[in-house]
Amino acid sequence: KAGVTQTPRYLIKTRGQQVTLSCSPISGHRSVSWYQQTPGQGLQFLFEYFSETQRNKGNFPGRFSGRQFSNSRSEMNVSTLELGDSALYLCASSELSGYQNTEAFFGQGTRLTVV
Amino acid sequence: GENVEQHPSTLSVQEGDSAVIKCTYSDSASNYFPWYKQELGKGPQLIIDIRSNVGEKKDQRIAVTLNKTAKHFSLHITETQPEDSAVYFCAARGKLSFGAGTTVTVRA
Repeated sequence: KAGVTQTPRYLIKTRGQQVTLSCSPISGHRSVSWYQQTPGQGLQFLFEYFSETQRNKGNFPGRFSGRQFSNSRSEMNVSTLELGDSALYLCASSELSGYQNTEAFFGQGTRLTVV
Repeated sequence: GENVEQHPSTLSVQEGDSAVIKCTYSDSASNYFPWYKQELGKGPQLIIDIRSNVGEKKDQRIAVTLNKTAKHFSLHITETQPEDSAVYFCAARGKLSFGAGTTVTVRA
């Protein structure tokens, strides 16, 4: 089975721009969760999608949004980029929704740099 | 929401010695506790997990213990090797809240 695939791996954007990141989960997995990883804040939960519905949301501003398609692929969008949005964005794939206590597998991440 | 605290933040051990990382959680409804290892430039990799119906689980040199009453769980790595050097994260399942991470360095 192929693992979790995130594209692109690296991205450089300018302040004020918007960006879309993509995550393809493991085949058969219906849950995709997104995390922001920074050296100072660790792994911060952004949101989880399951069967095209957002199930949980972290404490991030509305500039961060996401969606999930019928094939379980998910996209995350960040609008009006700020320097502080520079981070590694990780997605995790699970067979079931988060509260059902199943294993989560991570992709390699997308390294976003805002200049 | 779930709050997971992890200690220590850094750990340096001599090759062959043991390493122990401890985590506490706040949500008594949490029932699943995975551990992840993250190497430089890679995403976190699931290395071991434990569910609340068991107190200990072992996989070769890695073991995890869980004390639900005290709401804490620990990762034990025995006979450490240089390839064990990485950042380790504990997590508690609900929406999968993570500890801050422990940077483990194994000195040859």
